[in-house]
Amino acid sequence: AQTVTQSQPEMSVQEAETVTLSCTYDTSESDYYLFWYKQPPSRQMILVIRQEAYKQQNATENRFSVNFQKAAKSFSLKISDSQLGDAAMYFCAVEIYNQGGKLIFGQGTELSVKP
Amino acid sequence: GAVVSQHPSRVICKSGTSVKIECRSLDFQATTMFWYRQFPKQSLMLMATSNEGSKATYEQGVEKDKFLINHASLTLSTLTVTSAHPEDSSFYICSARGGAAGQPQHFGDGTRLSIL
Repeated sequence: AQTVTQSQPEMSVQEAETVTLSCTYDTSESDYYLFWYKQPPSRQMILVIRQEAYKQQNATENRFSVNFQKAAKSFSLKISDSQLGDAAMYFCAVEIYNQGGKLIFGQGTELSVKP
Repeated sequence: GAVVSQHPSRVICKSGTSVKIECRSLDFQATTMFWYRQFPKQSLMLMATSNEGSKATYEQGVEKDKFLINHASLTLSTLTVTSAHPEDSSFYICSARGGAAGQPQHFGDGTRLSIL
């Protein structure tokens, strides 16, 4: 069975600073996709970034980037120049290819941003 | 693009009532839709996966007769909580995905269900 682990229940960052949220996963499959979703207090799930496992290059979306280490099964999210609006629950998720599109979510990391 | 509308956003009803929640993809065809349940401060728990025109696939431990899922078209899926009881109170979220594997799921805004 596949599992996703986010070992940091809570994180805090100063506005304009950089923070890294960790995520590890366990799967015996070689073809899969990785996602980070953000859930602000409104509880809407918002896609932050996506990574294909077969791509070595780390995905980047503006201030958000990932450090994807396939051998270590690690998929951390780096938020640069943190803003107050980044405060949210962040979920890491894995989709295994050919398993119907199911996402396996981690437990989440609650990020607070201090002004 | 890729907007998913979920309705209603909040439901309060008496025990024993059946409640229907709708999930619509507004600007794309959703070949697959997913229904999740989320408790406060916890992760999303997948309840079932539905493909248009097929019976839903339920996750282990989810009662099929309690949570009826219909995905009759490429833009609409419904979740009906039958004979709801207070323990069914929760936040329910749908998501939709079209196209190939690896495409992100797009989520509705969720429904807060409270059973008195």
